[in-house]
Amino acid sequence: SQQGEEDPQALSIQEGENATMNCSYKTSINNLQWYRQNSGRGLVHLILIRSNEREKHSGRLRVTLDTSKKSSSLLITASRAADTASYFCATELGSGNTPLVFGKGTRLSVIA
Amino acid sequence: DVKVTQSSRYLVKRTGEKVFLECVQDMDHENMFWYRQDPGLGLRLIYFSYDVKMKEKGDIPEGYSVSREKKERFSLILESASTNQTSMYLCASSTRTGIRSLHFGNGTRLTVT
Repeated sequence: SQQGEEDPQALSIQEGENATMNCSYKTSINNLQWYRQNSGRGLVHLILIRSNEREKHSGRLRVTLDTSKKSSSLLITASRAADTASYFCATELGSGNTPLVFGKGTRLSVIA
Repeated sequence: DVKVTQSSRYLVKRTGEKVFLECVQDMDHENMFWYRQDPGLGLRLIYFSYDVKMKEKGDIPEGYSVSREKKERFSLILESASTNQTSMYLCASSTRTGIRSLHFGNGTRLTVT
């Protein structure tokens, strides 16, 4: 079952610009995670934000979480061509050891 | 650093064949997962396991089975491969407690002809 939905489906920007991707979800969560996938490879975990957190930073990444709107955003600042990849949000529901539910992803293209 | 290894990057099988996809992780993780990824559909959970000899159905278990005889190894089995099982298969692992972020293998692209 799909829980998170990313928006937009695809995004194309120039190198140096900021990229913003959004994720909406339907039910209450324990945490929300963002993953990156280079073409033809597995996913790599980028950052996790807990339900009681509103913002988190990691290098050029900034994640926000609005539990009242059931939405999150991932901002990549000063993008580089190497940031070209697909980005997925994943939610861990409720409490306990439950599988993550992934959205369909945003395909980001950064043009040099 | 956690390593999740999938035995094959590319696999071509014929309809009706029994197919084994192997996944091994080296970080003593309790949880292991199999997803399939198709264009426009994202990642869909096939099966997961929280311990040796335990298995749970995910969202799309039909046509698949799994085996977890050892903690580090989680196998996905296609009993009788069909063309609609042509896909990218991704294995992942995580701890049972604490921050349960997933560590993925590089995937197996399976083509069933």
